[in-house]
Amino acid sequence: ETGVTQTPRHLVMGMTNKKSLKCEQHLGHNAMYWYKQSAKKPLELMFVYNFKEQTENNSVPSRFSPECPNSSHLFLHLHTLQPEDSALYLCASSQDTGAFEAFFGQGTRLTVV
Amino acid sequence: KNEVEQSPQNLTAQEGEFITINCSYSVGISALHWLQQHPGGGIVSLFMLSSGKKKHGRLIATINIQEKHSSLHITASHPRDSAVYICAVRGSARQLTFGSGTQLTVLP
Repeated sequence: ETGVTQTPRHLVMGMTNKKSLKCEQHLGHNAMYWYKQSAKKPLELMFVYNFKEQTENNSVPSRFSPECPNSSHLFLHLHTLQPEDSALYLCASSQDTGAFEAFFGQGTRLTVV
Repeated sequence: KNEVEQSPQNLTAQEGEFITINCSYSVGISALHWLQQHPGGGIVSLFMLSSGKKKHGRLIATINIQEKHSSLHITASHPRDSAVYICAVRGSARQLTFGSGTQLTVLP
């Protein structure tokens, strides 16, 4: 248990659906991250939020829309996804973006059909 | 951009064997992390290193800054050590760059 909770753990959605992934941490951290992990590829950073402000968007397509209403919660809104977006989506948090240690959630396994 | 290479990509060992996983990176870093990812997907931080050697139980991590290389060793391996082991480095941009991971399977 890392203190970072992601829901749902598994999600199957059609290409015309709209769904959201949720991440929650009560570690008192100020930075939160979304990562994508595709099969046989390294983790890819998608978005960074620091003190609720987005500080990095790693050229992510607009069909992925992050939202950070407060320092404890991070959402990833999904719409009109493609089958190649199927992957494990991991959330992480750290004290701030300069902190050495990040804590990861269990991930959401997303399948787009 | 930092390139992180891990070897081997896949490793199968018998219970009790000594295991070594290697990580090389291309540019200077402020810290290197070894992470463990279990089949369910969750990632746990094992070590964070900036120099020397750290030990925790049966796990040992070493780093050679001059050679830009780190190793993760597992002594007396056990089937429960089966997981993906990921090396990640933190460079001047402060973000982590990840290796592709090493899939370790320890057979009873």
